[in-house]
Amino acid sequence: NAGVTQTPKFQVLKTGQSMTLQCAQDMNHNSMYWYRQDPGMGLRLIYYSASEGTTDKGEVPNGYNVSRLNKREFSLRLESAAPSQTSVYFCASSGSPGQPKELYGYTFGSGTRLTVV
Amino acid sequence: AQSVTQLGSHVSVSEGALVLLRCNYSSSVPPYLFWYVQYPNQGLQLLLKYTTGATLVKGINGFEAEFKKSETSFHLTKPSAHMSDAAEYFCAVNTGFQKLVFGTGTRLLVSP
Repeated sequence: NAGVTQTPKFQVLKTGQSMTLQCAQDMNHNSMYWYRQDPGMGLRLIYYSASEGTTDKGEVPNGYNVSRLNKREFSLRLESAAPSQTSVYFCASSGSPGQPKELYGYTFGSGTRLTVV
Repeated sequence: AQSVTQLGSHVSVSEGALVLLRCNYSSSVPPYLFWYVQYPNQGLQLLLKYTTGATLVKGINGFEAEFKKSETSFHLTKPSAHMSDAAEYFCAVNTGFQKLVFGTGTRLLVSP
């Protein structure tokens, strides 16, 4: 049972470079999410996808784009990295078909630690 | 808008002592509340959740939380701390539309 798999685990970028963070889940979940975690700020939602084919902005979307490639995969792209995007990024998924929405909890990946210099 | 406030960014206890991590929520509708734990260099893992029904919720690793509507609280407790409980703990509220809003976290330190 892999759950939610994120790649890469670590990355160092130079300012202005681009990269894509990959996320895949094998639990047949409908919804997927990208969060960033910064000291003292908890987790903040960047983008989410309530279902295959849809994406929506979260609390801190600026500087990011996402693609829900299929039901399993949800990628996060930084087009021009900035030092302010240095953070730990978590992907999560939730919502099995037929599961009442109020019972949704999230399953998280192990994170990508990104440093922009 | 729904939100959660976690009081205390750090809590220190001795091994064997009571653990109490505080969480207060703000919600205009009946909330669904969650506690997650994050061990170093790992993702978040669900500890327990309150949706409806019994207000005292039991989770993994001996933790429990009580939903108190009158106090808008959902504090996390464990009768006796273990060294392995040292981690960061996050309270979260379901905003509807399947999105969770997280508190800023409380780091639990356990000393021998």
